[in-house]
Amino acid sequence: AQSVTQLGSHVSVSEGALVLLRCNYSSSVPPYLFWYVQYPNQGLQLLLKYTSAATLVKGINGFEAEFKKSETSFHLTKPSAHMSDAAEYFCAVSGDTGNQFYFGTGTSLTVIP
Amino acid sequence: EAGVAQSPRYKIIEKRQSVAFWCNPISGHATLYWYQQILGQGPKLLIQFQNNGVVDDSQLPKDRFSAERLKGVDSTLKIQPAKLEDSAVYLCASSEQGFSTDTQYFGPGTRLTVL
Repeated sequence: AQSVTQLGSHVSVSEGALVLLRCNYSSSVPPYLFWYVQYPNQGLQLLLKYTSAATLVKGINGFEAEFKKSETSFHLTKPSAHMSDAAEYFCAVSGDTGNQFYFGTGTSLTVIP
Repeated sequence: EAGVAQSPRYKIIEKRQSVAFWCNPISGHATLYWYQQILGQGPKLLIQFQNNGVVDDSQLPKDRFSAERLKGVDSTLKIQPAKLEDSAVYLCASSEQGFSTDTQYFGPGTRLTVL
């Protein structure tokens, strides 16, 4: 069975500071991992995904994530936070029997001016 | 390219009433999903369709929830009768083929409040 754990339900950073959102996965098979962002009253938008190619994945809006098998992690980073990055971020792992996603509980990012 | 459309955006009902949500996926997408997102939690899959057939409905409370995808395009999710704990955002998503590597594209959701 697949699952993801997002450490830290709330993260606050200053504008211009490094953003680090943590995601650890549990999977009995090689996982496919996704990061989504959700702005208030909107659906989820894909930031990036890992599908067993390069372990460092670059996404939209300057975000990137590194797949580390030894640590079972797929943390999301951005070198410099912008006010517009304030949102809810979800990590998800794809099921081994198809495209069923298992989402984490989310991390709310606040950017302090 | 048009995204996933959902309606209504908001719905308020009293417990024991019925409600239905509609979803129109991205054109050409074979796979359609309904998720329930309770406040403060991540989305939870309720049902997955491949064309007009059900792939997975193991987490759908079948005593009160039903869903259909006639002609393999639009889909409707129904709750009858609603309970207080059904208050949530109901998200519809679609993907091209339903492969594990496919991106799921989400609609804006329907926020349901059950009083």
